[in-house]
Amino acid sequence: DVKVTQSSRYLVKRTGEKVFLECVQDMDHENMFWYRQDPGLGLRLIYFSYDVKMKEKGDIPEGYSVSREKKERFSLILESASTNQTSMYLCASRAGGFGELFFGEGSRLTVL
Amino acid sequence: QKEVEQNSGPLSVPEGAIASLNCTYSDRGSQSFFWYRQYSGKSPELIMFIYSNGDKEDGRFTAQLNKASQYVSLLIRDSQPSDSATYLCAVGPDSNYQLIWGAGTKLIIKP
Repeated sequence: DVKVTQSSRYLVKRTGEKVFLECVQDMDHENMFWYRQDPGLGLRLIYFSYDVKMKEKGDIPEGYSVSREKKERFSLILESASTNQTSMYLCASRAGGFGELFFGEGSRLTVL
Repeated sequence: QKEVEQNSGPLSVPEGAIASLNCTYSDRGSQSFFWYRQYSGKSPELIMFIYSNGDKEDGRFTAQLNKASQYVSLLIRDSQPSDSATYLCAVGPDSNYQLIWGAGTKLIIKP
C-alpha cells in the first residue's frame, strides 16, 4: 500500500519561529510536492522537486524553502513563521510523468 | 492568470439520485483533467482522470470532458451517504508542468 507520511499532524508555533515540516514516501517516486490548502482557495503549490537535491518554485514560494537530500524525503522549512502562514500543508508524491498524486495526511500549522 | 472554477456548494442530493459536479477552466491548452475526493479532515484521493473529449465511466462515476466549452464534469450515480465529501477538480499542465486546482465543491448526500 502506498504511503506518504507527514511528520506532524498539528503544530502551534509563534511568530518568528523556524518550522520544519517533513514528508517521507515509500513508493520510490521521483516527484514530490508541497501544497498549502486554505478555505475557498484550493490547493496552491509552494515547491516541488523532480529529483534529489533538485527543487523548483511553485506558485507561492515566498517565505518558504525546501530540502531534498534523499529521494524519499522532502522537507518544507519556514525560516520565520508568520501568522499568514497558518494553513493546512499537504505533501504529495508522484511517479514520473503526469499521473496520480498521492497525498500525506496533512499538517495543520497555526502561527500565533 | 489561469483558473479552475468550481461552485463551492454545498450541493445537497438525495440518496440514490445522481450528483452532478461541474468545473470550468480557462486555459484552452489544458490536456489532463482530474477529480479528487477529500473527506473532512483527510487528504485528497484520486477518483478519476480524463484526457479526451467525451465520457469516461468507472463504476458509479462518470467523468465528462468538453474541451470546446472548457468544462469537465463528474457524475455520481446512485449516490450514497459515503459520497459526502468535497470534490476537487484539477487541470494541467500549466507552464510549470503542474496542476491548477479548483477550490472544491462540497457534496452532501441526504439519506
